[in-house]
Amino acid sequence: EVQLLESGGGLVQPGGSLRLSCAASGFTFSTYGMSWVRQAPGKGLEWVSAISGSDGSTYYADSVKGRFTISRDNSKNTLYLQMNSLRAEDTAVYYCASGYSGYDFPFPFDYWGQGTLVTVSS
Amino acid sequence: DIQMTQSPSTLSASVGDRVTITCRASQSISTWLAWYQQKPGKAPKFLIYKASSLESGVPSRFSGSGSGTEFTLTISSLQPDDFATYYCQQYNSYFLTFGGGTKVEIK
Repeated sequence: EVQLLESGGGLVQPGGSLRLSCAASGFTFSTYGMSWVRQAPGKGLEWVSAISGSDGSTYYADSVKGRFTISRDNSKNTLYLQMNSLRAEDTAVYYCASGYSGYDFPFPFDYWGQGTLVTVSS
Repeated sequence: DIQMTQSPSTLSASVGDRVTITCRASQSISTWLAWYQQKPGKAPKFLIYKASSLESGVPSRFSGSGSGTEFTLTISSLQPDDFATYYCQQYNSYFLTFGGGTKVEIK
């Protein structure tokens, strides 16, 4: 059974940093593209970033480019999102999601974690 | 970026109704479109990929169609478990985008 478990969310002041983690199990993590998708309170879904399973290439939404960094540790089956220079508009539930059936990026998302809430406020 | 526009934003329907949700892309995306279902407080659930291919385990009352810029998600006979918000997503470009969502409510 595929499982994605996010952690690392919490309350942070504007300008601060946070690192999210996503522990994966139930599939061959190293061969799958992975992504972060966020959802602000009461709003729709917004893609944040993705990392390829084939060569580790990374991709970012314009809204986070230069502030967020996606990475993966295949030895630990874990995906990360380093978030710097956080703003109030980054407040959201952050979901980790796997790329469908090993598609290379761009891809749809077949499995999702339960999400972790990031609140940026003073 | 490719903009995705869903309509309607809210839909009121009864159990047994046939329901259709539309998703329009600001430029052609061929059939690189997915649909998701989301219930309050839960993660999205993957329903359809490549515009019309049903993900394994998804009930056959769900179907998708379209290509280019216009797509539809149809629920042939609405069930109590189907009341939720539905999102389309394009994966034609490296900047992935979602539609704004369609909330299916009980009439």
